[in-house]
Amino acid sequence: GAGVSQSPSNKVTEKGKDVELRCDPISGHTALYWYRQSLGQGLEFLIYFQGNSAPDKSGLPSDRFSAERTGGSVSTLTIQRTQQEDSAVYLCASSLDRGLLSYNEQFFGPGTRLTVL
Amino acid sequence: GENVEQHPSTLSVQEGDSAVIKCTYSDSASNYFPWYKQELGKRPQLIIDIRSNVGEKKDQRIAVTLNKTAKHFSLHITETQPEDSAVYFCAASAGGGADGLTFGKGTHLIIQP
Repeated sequence: GAGVSQSPSNKVTEKGKDVELRCDPISGHTALYWYRQSLGQGLEFLIYFQGNSAPDKSGLPSDRFSAERTGGSVSTLTIQRTQQEDSAVYLCASSLDRGLLSYNEQFFGPGTRLTVL
Repeated sequence: GENVEQHPSTLSVQEGDSAVIKCTYSDSASNYFPWYKQELGKRPQLIIDIRSNVGEKKDQRIAVTLNKTAKHFSLHITETQPEDSAVYFCAASAGGGADGLTFGKGTHLIIQP
């Protein structure tokens, strides 16, 4: 079946503007994750959802970042008043929730490359 | 919170030789340790993972070892091939991977022909 998809693939915006990034998880995957990858860096965890709720928002870098998930499927990551340091690739992943004592492979999407001018 | 350190940042090996990448973690509650491979411009893909109740896991040319006492785990690739060239990331999770993963900063593996 189809993998995780994200849109747009590229987004160029001006400093101070708001942006919305979209993630479509693999059908049937209850868990959804957002990560940020800056140039040449590792992946930084932002937030994850179990169904529509977000048990852990600890990775969001500031209150300009927010995310929602409705219907247990599509998720949107919103960055308000973008800054140049927000430039990065934003990756979404999804997984089946097999429980804390099992293996829960996270499947990644292709990412959205955000450039803030 | 969890902190994952990964070494080396760059590793160059001759084709056919073995490559070893090492990671340490700080949170003793971590119980799931995946390894991802990311080719240039592509998404990260899981190549192998291990849980804390297992000391070693092998899949063809790839193996992962875990030392819970020392809080470190390693990726071993034998008989390296040109297609192994990529950036490899280790990660750790205290929720079996059901929660967010904490990643190392990556190792750029270069296979010399």
